[in-house]
Amino acid sequence: GAVVSQHPSRVICKSGTSVKIECRSLDFQATTMFWYRQFPKQSLMLMATSNEGSKATYEQGVEKDKFLINHASLTLSTLTVTSAHPEDSSFYICSAAPGLVRPDTQYFGPGTRLTVL
Amino acid sequence: AQSVTQPDIHITVSEGASLELRCNYSYGATPYLFWYVQSPGQGLQLLLKYFSGDTLVQGIKGFEAEFKRSQSSFNLRKPSVHWSDAAEYFCAVGQGTGTASKLTFGTGTRLQVTL
Repeated sequence: GAVVSQHPSRVICKSGTSVKIECRSLDFQATTMFWYRQFPKQSLMLMATSNEGSKATYEQGVEKDKFLINHASLTLSTLTVTSAHPEDSSFYICSAAPGLVRPDTQYFGPGTRLTVL
Repeated sequence: AQSVTQPDIHITVSEGASLELRCNYSYGATPYLFWYVQSPGQGLQLLLKYFSGDTLVQGIKGFEAEFKRSQSSFNLRKPSVHWSDAAEYFCAVGQGTGTASKLTFGTGTRLQVTL
C-alpha cells in the first residue's frame, strides 16, 4: 500500500514551453502533497506544499508563477513548469501525506526528470 | 529553523561489514526524524522513522537507528551490509504536527559497497 506515482518519468522539452507533471496517490487519499526539486548529487529542496482545494504554499525563493501547483482532488496534484528554461532542468519529486490516518508520514513518488533544451 | 547535517558525503564499506551513517539535527522541540534511501534515478523509500517512545527504532531491510537527544543525533546502522544497499541515504527532520510535516533533508550520504 501507500503507492505514489508520477507521470511522466522523463520529459525533454524546448526552452519556452510549459511542462505538466502529475503526482497521484494510488491507494490512499492525500490531504497534503509536497513538491521537491533535486539537483544532481544534491539533497531534496522543498518547493511547495499543497492541500486539496487550497492554494499551494511556496517556499521562500520559489516563483509561484513559474511553478504552478494544482491539488484538485485528494489523489492528484500537478506541477506545471511554465516557460521552461535550461536552468529548470532538474529531478522533480512529489510526496503525498495520508494526513490524519498516518500523520507525519510522507510517501514519495519515483520522480520526474525534466530536461529543457 | 530546523536543519540536518550528514557529515559523511561518501562512505565505502565491504559487503558483510557493519555500517553506521551519521545524522545530526537542529530543532527546537522534539523532532520527528526519518531515514530515506534513494537508488539512482528513483524516488525515496522510507527506511524508518522516530516520533516518540523507544529511542532505538527498527526499520526495513535490517536497518535500525538510535535517537540520542543529548547528542542531537539519529544515526543509522546495519550490522551486515549487502551489495544491494549501495544507494544514497538521506536523514530528514519533520517540522510541525497534525496532518503533515514539512521535511528538511540532509545533504545525503552515498554508500558504496565493495565485494
